[in-house]
Amino acid sequence: DGGITQSPKYLFRKEGQNVTLSCEQNLNHDAMYWYRQDPGQGLRLIYYSQIVNDFQKGDIAEGYSVSREKKESFPLTVTSAQKNPTAFYLCASSIADGHGYTFGSGTRLTVV
Amino acid sequence: KNQVEQSPQSLIILEGKNCTLQCNYTVSPFSNLRWYKQDTGRGPVSLTIMTFSENTKSNGRYTATLDADTKQSSLHITASQLSDSASYICVVRPSEGGADGLTFGKGTHLIIQP
Repeated sequence: DGGITQSPKYLFRKEGQNVTLSCEQNLNHDAMYWYRQDPGQGLRLIYYSQIVNDFQKGDIAEGYSVSREKKESFPLTVTSAQKNPTAFYLCASSIADGHGYTFGSGTRLTVV
Repeated sequence: KNQVEQSPQSLIILEGKNCTLQCNYTVSPFSNLRWYKQDTGRGPVSLTIMTFSENTKSNGRYTATLDADTKQSSLHITASQLSDSASYICVVRPSEGGADGLTFGKGTHLIIQP
């Protein structure tokens, strides 16, 4: 089955620690995206990538970093510079820029 | 600034009843409008996608309508089931701009009671 896989499902971060969220897709999609979802708010774009080795900042990129070394993978690192990282993180992919979206099942990150 | 407003914010109905969720947007011109269903703790799943020239699109018990003149869309759920309990998100993609142009509504939280 083709799909998009996020791991882990739950992640706990200590103060001052960097953590990396995994996102892998086998849909042969060119574009991949990272969103943050907070209670009562719409999804907000963190970073997106339309092609390997290239990515663009979204609306709330500060405190986050990404890489796109392979078409299938788009990991997100939440750095210690992100002061309020507790949220639900969603990865998505699409055939072309903005056309059709498939979401992963999400990672819930909590600061402890 | 492009905006997508959804109403109501939350809704509780009895199993078997119908309901309609609303989406108003300011995005113009737009490429397509989508409705997603998001179960608690899960990623959104696409229900319908409509271009500006389409008025209605159905997916089983889900029917979406679009009025591009008034910039309004609705999602009608027929004969609700307990499994319909979820958040429903309206997303509008403008005709111009890349991925950062997608505008998400905050969603309507629907609870179906037995």
